[in-house]
Amino acid sequence: DVVMTQTPVSLSATPGQAASISCRSSRSILATDGRTYLYWFLQRPGQSPQLLIYEVSNRFSGVPDRFSGRGSETDFTLEISRVEAEDVGVYYCMQGLFLPRTFGQGTKVEI
Amino acid sequence: EVQLEESGGGLVEPGGSLRLSCVASGMIFKKAWLNWVRQGPGKGLEWIGRLKSNLDGGAADYAPVVKGRFSMSRDDSTNTLYLDMNSLRVEDTAVYYCGSGYPDRWGHGTRVTVS
Repeated sequence: DVVMTQTPVSLSATPGQAASISCRSSRSILATDGRTYLYWFLQRPGQSPQLLIYEVSNRFSGVPDRFSGRGSETDFTLEISRVEAEDVGVYYCMQGLFLPRTFGQGTKVEI
Repeated sequence: EVQLEESGGGLVEPGGSLRLSCVASGMIFKKAWLNWVRQGPGKGLEWIGRLKSNLDGGAADYAPVVKGRFSMSRDDSTNTLYLDMNSLRVEDTAVYYCGSGYPDRWGHGTRVTVS
């Protein structure tokens, strides 16, 4: 299975400041179709996960533009340009190229 | 608005069986690829399976940890996804979420306790 490793495990963010989370995959998730199947999800406390970013850098519908994603092949980053109180929760990356799909262990963001 | 609603969770003894359902609305269900993802108590997300649309062949793929014990199916006439869980183990205790697509839409989850 592809192992997804996130760092840090937890993050204390300051409102209005930037924050970033890294995700590394144990093998390249660049597909032969040229697309890279890396996703970011946020699970707020007591809620189900929600999709933030798909295919590395595409914001899902309704996701604020303070969230951005970048990276390639095995190394990826989620950035929050100006953290807000509603951004607290656990962030997960997931690879969508290989079966079984695998998630990172999560990064807990607190204010 | 796309909505997914899981049901069927509950308390079951080890070795027992349970069927979960996920009813979808606000989407073209017959075209959707559907997933089950679970989250054990205090743990992260774990993908357990995906079911392609019948238009794309209808194949199911499972995580090794549930393969042979869990089975996914769908009824496109009622917009319902099912997860049949057999030979349940204590470690299958989790909140089970259905999700469509990447998944880009998720339900609120249904809790399964094996004890």
